[in-house]
Amino acid sequence: AQSVSQHNHHVILSEAASLELGCNYSYGGTVNLFWYVQYPGQHLQLLLKYFSGDPLVKGIKGFEAEFIKSKFSFNLRKPSVQWSDTAEYFCAVNSNTGNQFYFGTGTSLTVIP
Amino acid sequence: DTEVTQTPKHLVMGMTNKKSLKCEQHMGHRAMYWYKQKAKKPPELMFVYSYEKLSINESVPSRFSPECPNSSLLNLHLHALQPEDSALYLCASSQAGTALDEQFFGPGTRLTVL
Repeated sequence: AQSVSQHNHHVILSEAASLELGCNYSYGGTVNLFWYVQYPGQHLQLLLKYFSGDPLVKGIKGFEAEFIKSKFSFNLRKPSVQWSDTAEYFCAVNSNTGNQFYFGTGTSLTVIP
Repeated sequence: DTEVTQTPKHLVMGMTNKKSLKCEQHMGHRAMYWYKQKAKKPPELMFVYSYEKLSINESVPSRFSPECPNSSLLNLHLHALQPEDSALYLCASSQAGTALDEQFFGPGTRLTVL
């Protein structure tokens, strides 16, 4: 079975600091990769996704992620965080043949003004 | 329309009550999902419907009963729930059977079981 690991459970940053959240998955086949964000009291929203092509993908709100196949990783980055980025961040993986998503355990990001 | 809607937004029920959660999408998606999410935790998959047929049941107790009346609607019938079933219940949809399956999530129903 696939699994998704997010090693940073809780991250606290000051505004303007750079962000990198780790995501590793275990699956040997072809995968699709996603980062979802859940702002306080709101529903899950897609930040960005990778299906194929350029391994550096850009998403909404200045986020980007890099797929490194050899490391089974899909880390999320943002050069300069804002207070409004405070949220839960979930990495998710599915294979290119299945409907089932596998979510990581999530990272809680708190940005201090 | 790229939205998944869920009703009600909040639901409080007793352990002997019967209630239903509703989910609707008009994106032409043929896969629909129910997830349970506890605070600060990732969504846990409960059920998957693909082309209106139940394709995945993640060993969910029978007090949760899903129903897919048509390709746009998904219900979750609740009966004799326990307090530990209190959670945010999320519905999602995606195009079924393609390699580009992005899931669109609804806002959820916040369920409290007394």
